[in-house]
Amino acid sequence: DQQVKQNSPSLSVQEGRISILNCDYTNSMFDYFLWYKKYPAEGPTFLISISSIKDKNEDGRFTVFLNKSAKHLSLHIVPSQPGDSAVYFCAALRNSGNTPLVFGKGTRLSVIA
Amino acid sequence: DARVTQTPRHKVTEMGQEVTMRCQPILGHNTVFWYRQTMMQGLELLAYFRNRAPLDDSGMPKDRFSAEMPDATLATLKIQPSEPRDSAVYFCASGPGAANLAAFFGQGTRLTVV
Repeated sequence: DQQVKQNSPSLSVQEGRISILNCDYTNSMFDYFLWYKKYPAEGPTFLISISSIKDKNEDGRFTVFLNKSAKHLSLHIVPSQPGDSAVYFCAALRNSGNTPLVFGKGTRLSVIA
Repeated sequence: DARVTQTPRHKVTEMGQEVTMRCQPILGHNTVFWYRQTMMQGLELLAYFRNRAPLDDSGMPKDRFSAEMPDATLATLKIQPSEPRDSAVYFCASGPGAANLAAFFGQGTRLTVV
């Protein structure tokens, strides 16, 4: 039972345009969400996070939006750069329960020059 | 530059052999996770520790997998006997706990069981 779902296995975007990666979750107890980026042959690296008390968090070219009523979050990258080509994982956890991260299966982003 | 260190980076072994993967978490981090990445399941949690105590290992096949933290600087994941279906990339991650909820990953051990 996938509690965190990334329904798009892959996404291609032109350089300079916006990339939007989507993530849905089913567990209403999740209250903290993170995005990780993974290059081949490397471990995932933390990118950006958001608490459930917020609906938006921005860090440079990266913005995460959270819609709690829809149990949906998205990562926006603008402008997209070729170096952003990687697999992006959405993750969630229940802070109050000190539980570990639950990951989605990832979305492979290809930014085309 | 603090990082999680995993050894070995690659391991090829024959079915039935014992495999031990090692992880050195970031100094001062009190939470350690073992994840496995497969094509079908993505990143799945195998086990995690807080202050060296195992909190959850329900993701591991108990009959063949074991995870331990002999001390604060070393976590191990052992498979005995190994099977071809164990072939995957195994990641260790550590986290500072309540102060920062992000986990920081090592580069992984790519295991191939033939």
